[in-house]
Amino acid sequence: QQQVKQSPQSLIVQKGGIPIINCAYENTAFDYFPWYQQFPGKGPALLIAIRPDVSEKKEGRFTISFNKSAKQFSLHIMDSQPGDSATYFCAASRYGGATNKLIFGTGTLLAVQP
Amino acid sequence: NAGVTQTPKFRILKIGQSMTLQCTQDMNHNYMYWYRQDPGMGLKLIYYSVGAGITDKGEVPNGYNVSRSTTEDFPLRLELAAPSQTSVYFCASSLPESANYGYTFGSGTRLTVV
Repeated sequence: QQQVKQSPQSLIVQKGGIPIINCAYENTAFDYFPWYQQFPGKGPALLIAIRPDVSEKKEGRFTISFNKSAKQFSLHIMDSQPGDSATYFCAASRYGGATNKLIFGTGTLLAVQP
Repeated sequence: NAGVTQTPKFRILKIGQSMTLQCTQDMNHNYMYWYRQDPGMGLKLIYYSVGAGITDKGEVPNGYNVSRSTTEDFPLRLELAAPSQTSVYFCASSLPESANYGYTFGSGTRLTVV
């Protein structure tokens, strides 16, 4: 019940395309869903996050869509660029919990071709 | 502002040797975490700490130990290294009371056990 399932494992899109990465969770106590972006040789960095009180959140070209009833959330990258090529991780936790422990998905390796 | 600093960046250990992975943060974050990252497996929590003197096990603690004597430092100790501990190790910190609520990761330590 602590798992976060992420798909696809890898994704190749052309420049300007809209890659979509999906995640599903089981624990209904989770109420904080961040996405992290990781470039080769670097640590993950927080990209965008959402809480269940909204169904969508946009920050620049990055959008999270959230479906509470299906226990699913997804990341969309509008007008993707070669510089977006990275590994993306979804995660989940209990907001305001005693430990702030994040449960991570398995990651999606995105390649945006010029 | 250095953020989260991990040392060393790379290390090769022989089976049975021991070592300490260092992690220090200068953001006065209460919470600190150790994750390991393996290909296709995402990030798995090893140990975490919610403050000086307080530590607890994560999902994969076997073969590791931690201590938290100060707010800034959270070293990870490997005793009797095994090939299964070959991985990339990330230290992270967070301050849940902040509006950001996200983790700040270090740049990682790549460990090979031969």
